[in-house]
Amino acid sequence: AQSVSQHNHHVILSEAASLELGCNYSYGGTVNLFWYVQYPGQHLQLLLKYFSGDPLVKGIKGFEAEFIKSKFSFNLRKPSVQWSDTAEYFCAVIFTGTASKLTFGTGTRLQVTL
Amino acid sequence: NAGVTQTPKFQVLKTGQSMTLQCAQDMNHNSMYWYRQDPGMGLRLIYYSASEGTTDKGEVPNGYNVSRLNKREFSLRLESAAPSQTSVYFCASGLAGIWPYNEQFFGPGTRLTVL
Repeated sequence: AQSVSQHNHHVILSEAASLELGCNYSYGGTVNLFWYVQYPGQHLQLLLKYFSGDPLVKGIKGFEAEFIKSKFSFNLRKPSVQWSDTAEYFCAVIFTGTASKLTFGTGTRLQVTL
Repeated sequence: NAGVTQTPKFQVLKTGQSMTLQCAQDMNHNSMYWYRQDPGMGLRLIYYSASEGTTDKGEVPNGYNVSRLNKREFSLRLESAAPSQTSVYFCASGLAGIWPYNEQFFGPGTRLTVL
């Protein structure tokens, strides 16, 4: 079955530290890739998405992600985190042949300390 | 634009009771989805509706039914609630036609507790 893996379940960083959250998917075909963020008590919001073209995509709030097809990965990065980035981050994938269904990773809880 | 709205925000049920969660979107999206979110498990798709008049099962459909009332509204029904259905439920909508499919927009969620 197609799946999405996020190996970092809980990450604690100090403000200004750099962030990289891993996301891998188990599929060799064409995919649409997304990162969503869920701030405490809020609904999911889109951070960025990748369909095709430049594998380095930039999103909102200074986030970016790199698609590496050979590694089936779509890692999320931010050079310098802020306390307000404390949230849960979800990688999600639409696999071809699955209509428009999103498959989510289990999420990474990011805690940024002052 | 309100985006995706859900009612109620919170609900407590006793085992065996039934209820319907309501969802509406005003973005003229053709596709709508219901997910449940459980700690450590991410979001899992319960049911989806690719277009008005169609519904399909997702990953975890057992114990649920859905109705796509019209293009705007997509409801989720629990006929006989069980404690295992305690969760946060999210509705989402999106434009899904030809590849590549675009992102989904999420509602604020319904926190359901079944005692």
